[in-house]
This record gives sequence, structure tokens and C-alpha cells, in this order.
Amino acid sequence: AQSVAQPEDQVNVAEGNPLTVKCTYSVSGNPYLFWYVQYPNRGLQFLLKYITGDNLVKGSYGFEAEFNKSQTSFHLKKPSALVSDSALYFCAVRAAGTASKLTFGTGTRLQVTL
Amino acid sequence: DTAVSQTPKYLVTQMGNDKSIKCEQNLGHDTMYWYKQDSKKFLKIMFSYNNKELIINETVPNRFSPKSPDKAHLNLHINSLELGDSAVYFCASSQDRQQYFGPGTRLTVT
Repeated sequence: AQSVAQPEDQVNVAEGNPLTVKCTYSVSGNPYLFWYVQYPNRGLQFLLKYITGDNLVKGSYGFEAEFNKSQTSFHLKKPSALVSDSALYFCAVRAAGTASKLTFGTGTRLQVTL
Repeated sequence: DTAVSQTPKYLVTQMGNDKSIKCEQNLGHDTMYWYKQDSKKFLKIMFSYNNKELIINETVPNRFSPKSPDKAHLNLHINSLELGDSAVYFCASSQDRQQYFGPGTRLTVT
């Protein structure tokens, strides 16, 4: 069975500082990895994905994530956090294949303060 | 120009009632999904349809019945609502690995 772990319920960072939101995964075969963001009372918005190729993936709003196969990790990063980045972030994984389901982590709340 | 839309946005109802949530996507995608997000924000897939055919059916009570009249629509009907059904239900669609989510329907069962 595939799974995603987001070990931190909340990450606090000051505006302008770099941020990292951690994600590790377990899946049979090659993974497709995703990050989504959820603002209060809103749906999930896609940030970025890793399917194949370069391990460093760049996404929306200045976010990036690094796929590390040996550590089965896909941490989300941003060089300089903004207060407007405060939201709930979900990591998700699915096995490569047409009918595989997407499994989400439990989410990490990012709080960026002035 | 909303990509994935859901109605209603909020639904408050009493235990035992039957209710439906509708979902429509205008992206031309073949695959649609229903997810449930509980009070702890945990997000779990319930169903997936591809071209009107059910392809994923997680362990969900049979009080929940999805219906896909065409590939642009996936509705969720819930019979005999229970308190534990209170959650936010998200519809999503996908074509090429990436899923696009609707705004969610907050269901409150009293």
C-alpha cells in the first residue's frame, strides 16, 4: 500500500526566511509526486509535480521541491517566505500507471509571520 | 470559466435524510474523483470514474453512491445521512496525472 508522511503538523517561519515542508513517501514502483496548497475554506490548488526527469522541480508562487529517491523524500521549499504563503500544504503520491489512486499526507500548516 | 465546480457549497441537513452533491468539469478530462476531507483535514479518496466507468471504489459505506451521467459530471448521492458524514467533499478531475480540485461542499449533518 502506498503512503505519505508529513511529519510536521505545523511549520513556523518569519517572512523573508527560507522555508521547508517535509514529505516522505512509500509506493511500489516509480512515484508520481505532487504538492497542493489549501487556503482557508478553499479547494486544493496544484503547486508542482514530479513525474520524471530533473530531481529539482519548480512550481507556482516560487515554490520548488526536490525528489530524492534514496531517501524517498519530496520536500517543498521556498527561498523567501511571504505572509501570504500561510496555508495548509499537502504532499501526495501515486504509483506510475493509469488507474492508480492519489494518496495524500495529513497536511502541514505553514504559518509565516512578520 | 470555473474548471471544476460543485453545488451546493454548503449543505446542512438532519440525520436520516438523503442528499446529493453535484460536480461538473469543463476541462474535457476523462477521469473524475470524489474525496472526503474530515475535521482534521485528512483527505481521502472515495471514488474515481473514467469515462463514466467506476475504476476506484474505496471502502465507503454503500449509502454513498456516485453517478456519472456523462464524463463531464460526477454526482454523489448519500442516503440515510449520519453524523459522521459531516465533512468537506471535494470533486476533482484529471487527464494527465495532475488532478484539479473543485471548491468543496461542506456537509453538516445535525
